[in-house]
Amino acid sequence: GAVVSQHPSRVICKSGTSVKIECRSLDFQATTMFWYRQFPKKSLMLMATSNEGSKATYEQGVEKDKFLINHASLTLSTLTVTSAHPEDSSFYICSARGEGLTGYTFGSGTRLTVV
Amino acid sequence: AQSVTQLDSQVPVFEEAPVELRCNYSSSVSVYLFWYVQYPNQGLQLLLKYLSGSTLVESINGFEAEFNKSQTSFHLRKPSVHISDTAEYFCAVSEIQGAQKLVFGQGTRLTINP
Repeated sequence: GAVVSQHPSRVICKSGTSVKIECRSLDFQATTMFWYRQFPKKSLMLMATSNEGSKATYEQGVEKDKFLINHASLTLSTLTVTSAHPEDSSFYICSARGEGLTGYTFGSGTRLTVV
Repeated sequence: AQSVTQLDSQVPVFEEAPVELRCNYSSSVSVYLFWYVQYPNQGLQLLLKYLSGSTLVESINGFEAEFNKSQTSFHLRKPSVHISDTAEYFCAVSEIQGAQKLVFGQGTRLTINP
């Protein structure tokens, strides 16, 4: 079946630094990738949708300059949290969908802690 | 725009008892419907989905859900739960056309007690 690999699974960074999270589709071409943020005991909030080779579409209220999304190839999308602050601490999850597919495959998530 | 409401934030049940997790959605267009399960500090795993055809869909681990268009519901049921079913369950919808992004409900924490 379709597999999405997300790294790192956990990261602790200092306030003011940037963190990059990678999401790779291992056995299919991900034409669309989605990035979610999940607060403790809360649902998943869609941050942005990215299509390979084009700019990401951000949801209302999500800062484009803070959460940089790159989808340069059909198997890799990255989310960079720039100038991270403690309030950015959260669980970030990516999801990928292939062309013509109706399913969404999720990565295992990244626990970001900003200290 | 779509929205999903999971009426119960927490559902505690005893092992081997039946359970129903409720999900209602709102959409002006046709949608696909999904149930996902999330174990602690992990991503989401697809339990089952409704795309078209039979309104009753089943998973390999005994869960089933029925799409009810008139009531805009997609409730998840299992006749006999196990300790290992303890997890967070999310109902989600996506447009059949367009951006097809998944919109999630608030989640239901299912706790199985021995």
